[in-house]
Amino acid sequence: EVRLEESGGGLVKPGGSLRLSCAASGFTFEKYSMVWVRQAPGQGLEWVSYISSSDTFIYYADSVKGRFTVSRDNAQKSLYLQMTSLRPDDTAVYYCARGGFGELEPFDFWGQGTVVSVS
Amino acid sequence: DIQMTQSPSTLSASLGDRVTITCRASQSISSWLAWYQQKPGTAPKLLIYQASKLESGVPSRFSGGESGTEFTLTISSLQPDDVASYYCQQYAESYTFGQGTKVDLK
Repeated sequence: EVRLEESGGGLVKPGGSLRLSCAASGFTFEKYSMVWVRQAPGQGLEWVSYISSSDTFIYYADSVKGRFTVSRDNAQKSLYLQMTSLRPDDTAVYYCARGGFGELEPFDFWGQGTVVSVS
Repeated sequence: DIQMTQSPSTLSASLGDRVTITCRASQSISSWLAWYQQKPGTAPKLLIYQASKLESGVPSRFSGGESGTEFTLTISSLQPDDVASYYCQQYAESYTFGQGTKVDLK
């Protein structure tokens, strides 16, 4: 069974930092690209970051570029999101999700999310 | 950047009704379009990918269609379990979600 479990969320002051983690199990982690998606309270979904299976390709939404850094540890089957210079509009539920083998793939499995509050 | 315009934003329908949600892309995305279902307090779930391919385990009352840059999600007969928000997503060039459609019972 594919499982993704996020952790690391919490309350942080504006300008602060936070590191999110996503532990993966039930699939060959190193073969899949991974993404972070966020959802502000009462709002829709916003893609945040993408990292390819061997971290050769990394992309960010304009809203977080220069402030967030995505990384992965294939040996530990884990995905990370280092968030710095946090702003109130970064407040959201952050989901990690599985991409595919290539770039043109939807997100077929999602974690339950971790809440980040910036205030 | 590719924009996705989804409509309607809310939709009230009766059990057994045929329900259609529309998503329009600002430029060609071929068939690189997915639909997700999200129930309150839970993570999104992939329903349809490549515009019309049903994800494994998704009931056959869900279907996807396309015409140029306009895409549709149809529920052929609305069930209580379908009360949720639905999002389209293009993945042709980066990723963009539509604004979402909240479906509830009339």
